[in-house]
Amino acid sequence: NAGVTQTPKFRVLKTGQSMTLLCAQDMNHEYMYWYRQDPGMGLRLIHYSVGEGTTAKGEVPDGYNVSRLKKQNFLLGLESAAPSQTSVYFCATSGREETQYFGPGTRLLVL
Amino acid sequence: AQSVTQPDIHITVSEGASLELRCNYSYGATPYLFWYVQSPGQGLQLLLKYFSGDTLVQGIKGFEAEFKRSQSSFNLRKPSVHWSDAAEYFCAVGEAAGGTSYGKLTFGQGTILTVHP
Repeated sequence: NAGVTQTPKFRVLKTGQSMTLLCAQDMNHEYMYWYRQDPGMGLRLIHYSVGEGTTAKGEVPDGYNVSRLKKQNFLLGLESAAPSQTSVYFCATSGREETQYFGPGTRLLVL
Repeated sequence: AQSVTQPDIHITVSEGASLELRCNYSYGATPYLFWYVQSPGQGLQLLLKYFSGDTLVQGIKGFEAEFKRSQSSFNLRKPSVHWSDAAEYFCAVGEAAGGTSYGKLTFGQGTILTVHP
């Protein structure tokens, strides 16, 4: 029972490159979320999903896309990375009890 | 729109001293409130949560928090801090299930706790 896992743990990109971050959960949760964490700003919601095949925009969605083709996976894509997207990215999941469970994070550096 | 304010960016206490971390929120109805802790390089771990009922909630690691509706506050307390409590603490407010919010959380900016021996 791994809970919430994120792949990769760390990545360096050049401006303009693309990449996909994977979040996987084995908790059978309906809701999944992607956040970014920047110093002094807490966590901000990028996109979220309320079930397989559904996605919605959060607070800071620009420059990101997401997909939820399977209930257990939630992918975050950067089509053309920018230095402003240097951050730590966290995935979280929750059931209907409202508590969100977080993954260990992905550190992304865009040069 | 909901918002969360943690007025203290950085707090330093001595080991064994008491601790109170402040959290103020803005929300139109009864909020769901959370405190999370993050150790360096780690993800977020839930300390405690308030959904309804008793306004004093107990959490893990000896932490407690009190919901005060009149003050829009949800302050975190611990009577005696241990060196292992050094971390960053986040307060968050969420919306009720069944609405259109789908459990989304709004986080405060975080409070970094340093513990002196």
